[in-house]
Amino acid sequence: AQTVTQSQPEMSVQEAETVTLSCTYDTSESNYYLFWYKQPPSRQMILVIRQEAYKQQNATENRFSVNFQKAAKSFSLKISDSQLGDTAMYFCAFPETSGSRLTFGEGTQLTVNP
Amino acid sequence: GAGVSQSPSNKVTEKGKDVELRCDPISGHTALYWYRQRLGQGLEFLIYFQGNSAPDKSGLPSDRFSAERTGESVSTLTIQRTQQEDSAVYLCASSLGNRRGYGYTFGSGTRLTVV
Repeated sequence: AQTVTQSQPEMSVQEAETVTLSCTYDTSESNYYLFWYKQPPSRQMILVIRQEAYKQQNATENRFSVNFQKAAKSFSLKISDSQLGDTAMYFCAFPETSGSRLTFGEGTQLTVNP
Repeated sequence: GAGVSQSPSNKVTEKGKDVELRCDPISGHTALYWYRQRLGQGLEFLIYFQGNSAPDKSGLPSDRFSAERTGESVSTLTIQRTQQEDSAVYLCASSLGNRRGYGYTFGSGTRLTVV
């Protein structure tokens, strides 16, 4: 089974600053996808960004970007110009080989302070 | 519908009672997943349905847990003889298929409290 590790249980950042959340994973595969999900207090999980492993270019979605280091099996999420609405739990996720499930990390609680 | 709908939003039940949780996926999404999230923790896979294939039940924690799905529509997760350790948020998600590039769309979950 794949494993996903988020080593930062909690992080905080000042509004308008940049923060990076880390994620590492373990796999023997060469082609796969990685996801970051956001879970605000409303509980609904929201897809933030996805990365395809065979693409060397890091994915970007507005203020969110990833630093994907395939050899190091690292997939960090960078949030630029942090906003109060970014306060949430962030989960890194990796699909199982069969595609039948996502394995999630334990999450990082991000707090954006005014 | 426009999103994944779960009901009830919150459920408080007495220990030993049975509960049913409902998930209505996005129309056209063939894959449906149930996850459990204990307070302050990550998501724990429970069960997966893909079209008319046999479900992947490998994540169900005990035989008190069961789930059904009719075709590609509504799914119900049933917990029999609830225990306090069953208290958690139960999240449902749907996806276009089981290809690994498809992300999930999640519902808002059902918060189950067993007293």
